Amino acid sequence: QKEVEQDPGPLSVPEGAIVSLNCTYSNSAFQYFMWYRQYSRKGPELLMYTYSSGNKEDGRFTAQVDKSSKYISLFIRDSQPSDSATYLCAISGGGSNYKLTFGKGTLLTVNP
Amino acid sequence: DVKVTQSSRYLVKRTGEKVFLECVQDMDHENMFWYRQDPGLGLRLIYFSYDVKMKEKGDIPEGYSVSREKKERFSLILESASTNQTSMYLCASGTVYEQYFGPGTRLTVT
Repeated sequence: QKEVEQDPGPLSVPEGAIVSLNCTYSNSAFQYFMWYRQYSRKGPELLMYTYSSGNKEDGRFTAQVDKSSKYISLFIRDSQPSDSATYLCAISGGGSNYKLTFGKGTLLTVNP
Repeated sequence: DVKVTQSSRYLVKRTGEKVFLECVQDMDHENMFWYRQDPGLGLRLIYFSYDVKMKEKGDIPEGYSVSREKKERFSLILESASTNQTSMYLCASGTVYEQYFGPGTRLTVT
């Protein structure tokens, strides 16, 4: 079983839609959960991170972690064409373990 | 503003050549990372460094080496480039939960 699984999509939605992006993971020791956004021909940029379980909100973006199900989600409200990008989840064990394990990314297109 | 820069955006090399990819960060981070990104395989960690002259292998270190002589600079070396090393190479620096990436170097080995 892979450490992190992410549906690659592609996902195409109309402007203004609510978008849900998801990852599952296998190792219950993971403690840090991140979402990165990557525009075409650019490096990934950190959107937000969550430590342990719970929700975190930043503007139109909400990250959610359910450790009991080993499931993480990113919700985008009122999606905009500028949100069109590949979204990568990343997970880490934390502490002295600096290694991030990435999902393969979901390609999102928001149509005007 | 956080900055990670990579020496080249595009690079074309021949099989067997020695290739150096350079990365510089200006955030005084102790940790630096080299990844490669391939379609269908995602981002994979090659090597990382948690201090000057310190390094650890990532998931796919074979065919690569690294050098960290100064805190702000982390180099990836392909000792003898092969066609299966054609890829996008991404450098990052940061902490366990907050890594900042450079723009990437697209390397083609012919």
